[in-house]
Amino acid sequence: GESVGLHLPTLSVQEGDNSIINCAYSNSASDYFIWYKQESGKGPQFIIDIRSNMDKRQGQRVTVLLNKTVKHLSLQIAATQPGDSAVYFCAEKRQTSGSRLTFGEGTQLTVNP
Amino acid sequence: DGGITQSPKYLFRKEGQNVTLSCEQNLNHDAMYWYRQDPGQGLRLIYYSQIVNDFQKGDIAEGYSVSREKKESFPLTVTSAQKNPTAFYLCASSTPLTNQETQYFGPGTRLLVL
Repeated sequence: GESVGLHLPTLSVQEGDNSIINCAYSNSASDYFIWYKQESGKGPQFIIDIRSNMDKRQGQRVTVLLNKTVKHLSLQIAATQPGDSAVYFCAEKRQTSGSRLTFGEGTQLTVNP
Repeated sequence: DGGITQSPKYLFRKEGQNVTLSCEQNLNHDAMYWYRQDPGQGLRLIYYSQIVNDFQKGDIAEGYSVSREKKESFPLTVTSAQKNPTAFYLCASSTPLTNQETQYFGPGTRLLVL
């Protein structure tokens, strides 16, 4: 079935390294994508978003890349810090689903000092 | 402060009991959502409402009910028909205007069964 999923359930990096978190989606009708960060016991926090008419968008220390050809989304975190340790979710909005979002399963990012 | 509040932070339910989780937002958002999150898993949509006095079932609505009598409030009732209610419940809101579809989340309510 159609889904939004992540390639790796866990990712461990050293402090100061760059992190790349990947997400695959299968619905070519999706027009909007979001990355969320969720710390333990808290609600998801918006990080960055991108529309389907874009390939790349940058924020503060984060970059989202969208490859529509292979239906792949990635989140890059520069100079990863211990405070970046969390679960990261991608979400997609499908054109046929109104305002609903479909979430991936999440990747646990652990930053080692 | 503008945002989404959920209460209580922890909630205990006895067998056969209905419990209601509160969600309030002062962001003037039209749409509100309820998600369930089980340990180590993603978010699953229970119910959503795009406008006052209207709501739709999500992917796992069985055993739950909602109401949307006011724009700022979207309470979720976990009924006795929900046989496995232990989970982390998240409320979100958004404005469905084009270019503003991001959903913003509350801090969550953890429901435990006694």
